[in-house]
Amino acid sequence: EIVLTQSPATLSLSPGERATLSCTASQSVGSYLAWYQQKPGQAPRLLIYDASNRATGIPARFSGSGSGTDFTLTISSLEPEDFAVYYCQQRSDPLTFGGGTKVEI
Amino acid sequence: EVQLLESGGGLVQPGGSLRLSCAASGFTFNNYAMSWVRQAPGKGLEWVSSISGGSTSTSYADSVKGRFTVSRDNSKNRLYLQMNSLRAEDAAIYYCAKGKYQLPKAYYFDYWGQGTLATVSS
Repeated sequence: EIVLTQSPATLSLSPGERATLSCTASQSVGSYLAWYQQKPGQAPRLLIYDASNRATGIPARFSGSGSGTDFTLTISSLEPEDFAVYYCQQRSDPLTFGGGTKVEI
Repeated sequence: EVQLLESGGGLVQPGGSLRLSCAASGFTFNNYAMSWVRQAPGKGLEWVSSISGGSTSTSYADSVKGRFTVSRDNSKNRLYLQMNSLRAEDAAIYYCAKGKYQLPKAYYFDYWGQGTLATVSS
């Protein structure tokens, strides 16, 4: 099983600042990594797939990068609605998620 | 518009059973793998099970293998999860999720339902 480790666990920032979230895999996943956003009381939402492709309707301020074992989700300028928990996920069997990064004000 | 609506959650005693259901609409259901993902209260996401569009392939997390069974009825656009021998650690919100690609495996999840809560307690 591939273990995904996300850091930091919590990121305290202000609106307008840049957010950089990290996801490290225990072994190479190639470019097969996704990022999801989850707000309290809501289901997760797909943001990024295949490391760097934005899902339908996702604003350009969200970008993903990386390959192999090290991946980054960047939010270029935080909007109030971006404060949430973010999860990475790899697609090899069994599918696994990281533990999440909470982006808070 | 893609919609996924889960039902069937509730309170059950340890060792008991629940059957979750997910009603899908807004896409060609039998073309996509479907999955169940759960989230224990205050915890992260855990993939539980997936099933291919034609039900020819299923997969399970080790934590539920042998106790849970995923199935689907493409004539009704419904996904199911039969959960037997439930344990306290199975308590969670269970989400139904649609695979992003028209492929036998789910890979990524582009649409999610709002979830149904399963509580396992005596």
